[in-house]
Amino acid sequence: GQQLNQSPQSMFIQEGEDVSMNCTSSSIFNTWLWYKQDPGEGPVLLIALYKAGELTSNGRLTAQFGITRKDSFLNISASIPSDVGIYFCAGQLPGGSEKLVFGKGTKLTVNP
Amino acid sequence: NAGVTQTPKFRILKIGQSMTLQCAQDMNHNYMYWYRQDPGMGLKLIYYSVGAGITDKGEVPNGYNVSRSTTEDFPLRLELAAPSQTSVYFCASSSRTSGRVVYEQYFGPGTRLTVT
Repeated sequence: GQQLNQSPQSMFIQEGEDVSMNCTSSSIFNTWLWYKQDPGEGPVLLIALYKAGELTSNGRLTAQFGITRKDSFLNISASIPSDVGIYFCAGQLPGGSEKLVFGKGTKLTVNP
Repeated sequence: NAGVTQTPKFRILKIGQSMTLQCAQDMNHNYMYWYRQDPGMGLKLIYYSVGAGITDKGEVPNGYNVSRSTTEDFPLRLELAAPSQTSVYFCASSSRTSGRVVYEQYFGPGTRLTVT
């Protein structure tokens, strides 16, 4: 099946630092979504991107839909302890599919 | 709105037993999905439904069955539990607005299943 390569797999940062993570694919996607999963919880939608080149912010989070439609990145500025969790990217393939393809996640640890 | 709810939260099954994982949503969403999440892995789609009475297989459907008799409910059935089905199961839903599918999926809290 289709695969999304998400990197890095894990990050250990100090509180206050900025964070950047990305997803790439060999396939074109129509939509990119970024989710956060807290321990023991379901994923929660952070940002949805629908157009190539689109740059969208949600508080301290900023995500971009790559121009080639094969990648997306998520930035977190001035990290805080509650940013800890696993961040997943997800993409929707062209052709009107209702299905999403998920990356394997980036596990973020923030040291106070 | 409660959003997407799942029951039970935890369950331990013996090999060969069967059970149904329940999922309900109160957002009037057309589309519903079942995923499994194994440690260190992303979410893998088991089954999905685009409306009441319509279901289709995802990436990993073997060993599972679903039904969608109402818009609100989408139960997942395990007939003969196997250790390989030990996982965390998530239900999700999404909607269609003005003829356009809204791809944002909203997830339930998950069911943690252990098969021993």
